[in-house]
This record gives sequence, C-alpha cells and structure tokens, in this order.
Amino acid sequence: DAKTTQPPSMDCAEGRAANLPCNHSTISGNEYVYWYRQIHSQGPQYIIHGLKNNETNEMASLIITEDRKSSTLILPHATLRDTAVYYCIAPLSGNTPLVFGKGTRLSVIA
Amino acid sequence: EAGVAQSPRYKIIEKRQSVAFWCNPISGHATLYWYQQILGQGPKLLIQFQNNGVVDDSQLPKDRFSAERLKGVDSTLKIQPAKLEDSAVYLCASSNRVGEKLFFGSGTQLSVL
Repeated sequence: DAKTTQPPSMDCAEGRAANLPCNHSTISGNEYVYWYRQIHSQGPQYIIHGLKNNETNEMASLIITEDRKSSTLILPHATLRDTAVYYCIAPLSGNTPLVFGKGTRLSVIA
Repeated sequence: EAGVAQSPRYKIIEKRQSVAFWCNPISGHATLYWYQQILGQGPKLLIQFQNNGVVDDSQLPKDRFSAERLKGVDSTLKIQPAKLEDSAVYLCASSNRVGEKLFFGSGTQLSVL
C-alpha cells in the first residue's frame, strides 16, 4: 500500500465544514484513495473513493490534488454524529486488501 | 439489505482458554475478511477469503489462530490458546468482489484476563 499520513486529531465546530487532509506522496498511478470512518463501538464505514477526479456523494466530497500526492475529505456541514476516526487508505491495487493506519480522530464540537 | 452479522458481541475469557467468533457476511459477497483492532490502533488484516478459499493469511498467527469459511458463506475465527495480547476487537468485513468497498460488522470485543 502507498504510505498515507494523516493528522492524529482535529476539531470542527458543528455546522461548519470539516476538511480532513491526507498525504499519499508515494501513490502510484493505479492506486485509488479510499476513505472510511469508524464511529465508537462500530466497525469502519465506507465513505468515498477516487482515482484522479474529485468525487462527491451523499456523505462527503473528495478532493485529490492534480499530482495525486494528497487529498482532502470534506464533510460540508459537520454534525455531532460525524465524530469518529477517519481513515485514508491507498491500496496497492484493486486486488489487495485495505491496510488501515491510525487515522484522524475528528471531534465535532457543539 | 441486511448487514454483516457477528457474534458474540462481547467475550471475556482467561488466558490459555479457547474462543470462537462467528461472522455471516452480506448475502452474495464472495470476499470475506477478518481484522483485529487493538485499542487505539487501526484494524489489522488477519485473513482474507475468496469464496471458501484463503487468499491471504500472512498476518494470521497460525500457531494459535485458525479460520474457516465452509461453503463460502459464513466464517468462524478461533483462538486456541488465548494470550493476554489477544485482547482486541475482531472485525469481520465482506465485499462483493476484491477491490470493492468493504462492509464491516460491529465486531466482537474480546477481553483476555
């Protein structure tokens, strides 16, 4: 897997956008970037993934830099229920299992 | 659509005892994974199945851990004998195919005393 670097923790005010960065400077041209989150006492939950283009779904937006060395997950209007650990993962290929790092612990504050 | 089911939700055992965890993946999902998550860390892959065959078990401590997926549907993970350092949450995940998004169960929290 490409090595990913994320800040260990972040705070965000409720209702504001949460921007979670991820550095994946060793990523190759064929590796997707995946984001999962894990709410306390639950298993990880898929959020979004992308290769080159920016992606958006009902949960979040994913912005990938043109050189693909970093990306940002955006939660446009964070709520208290978004408090979780967010994992950025870049598997070696589509046939390799996901390797999780320590992720970023996001705390949404009222 | 039913999610990934795991049982038991919690288990407390003494060291050197044995324990088993059960997972029922989402119907039709060919790929099944077992992850171990120690407190404060991200999940660590133990074993990956494709249907009823093992694809990757390089991180599985085979002297004490075993897993099977008979008939390519549900799976069991066993630890025998358990050690204190096995205290963790054991997560099961499934996907339709390798490389597609994973769906996780809620996990089994194991405490070894």
